[in-house]
Amino acid sequence: EVQLVESGGGLVQPGGSLKLSCAASGFTFSGSAMHWVRQASGKGLEWVGRIRSKANSYATAYAASVKGRFTISRDDSKNTAYVQMNSLKTEDTAVYYCTRPGAGGYFDLWGRGTLVTVSS
Amino acid sequence: QSVLTQPPSVSAAPGQKVTISCSGSSSNIGNNYVSWYQQLPGTAPKLLIYENNKRPSGIPDRFSGSKSGTSATLGITGLQTGDEADYYCGTWDSSLSADVVFGGGTKLTVL
Repeated sequence: EVQLVESGGGLVQPGGSLKLSCAASGFTFSGSAMHWVRQASGKGLEWVGRIRSKANSYATAYAASVKGRFTISRDDSKNTAYVQMNSLKTEDTAVYYCTRPGAGGYFDLWGRGTLVTVSS
Repeated sequence: QSVLTQPPSVSAAPGQKVTISCSGSSSNIGNNYVSWYQQLPGTAPKLLIYENNKRPSGIPDRFSGSKSGTSATLGITGLQTGDEADYYCGTWDSSLSADVVFGGGTKLTVL
């Protein structure tokens, strides 16, 4: 089955760190870029960042709101993408989705998401 | 404040037609494909339309997309109560702030 499964969410204090994982199955993970998108409760979708494939030098890019605090990585041997989140702020509280991009700039596969709550 | 502008809400009766607009700029919609996503309550977004007007396998032809200049439109005909959801447009952006931008979302109510 083609799917993405996120894990690693939870409650963390402001200033803390958390690492999310996204396990992929059913498709050639190593050939695909992977993106992270988040959604605060009752709010819209916000692009977080992405990592490209080995063929594209594992290039990363981030939204201005997380640049310098979040790091996206991947392990193609484990078909898994990660986002390391440091210096977390209350405004980072959201459901985090990993998603696979299609050639035309769309996202055709989404995980169910994992909830990150930043609170004291 | 989202980069792409959508109406917060639209509504129509079952069986009717509704359109949802998405307005952007030359750095995003004007030079890139637009996609649309449906998010049912408590679930992940689902791709509805890609490359402006194409439907993935399994999406009924009641859903359609179009683009003109720096704006795009999602159309839904034959509304069903099961279409009640949030709808988002998205596209690439060539500015330095983000690879991808989304609209703020439109809540569709089927009266």
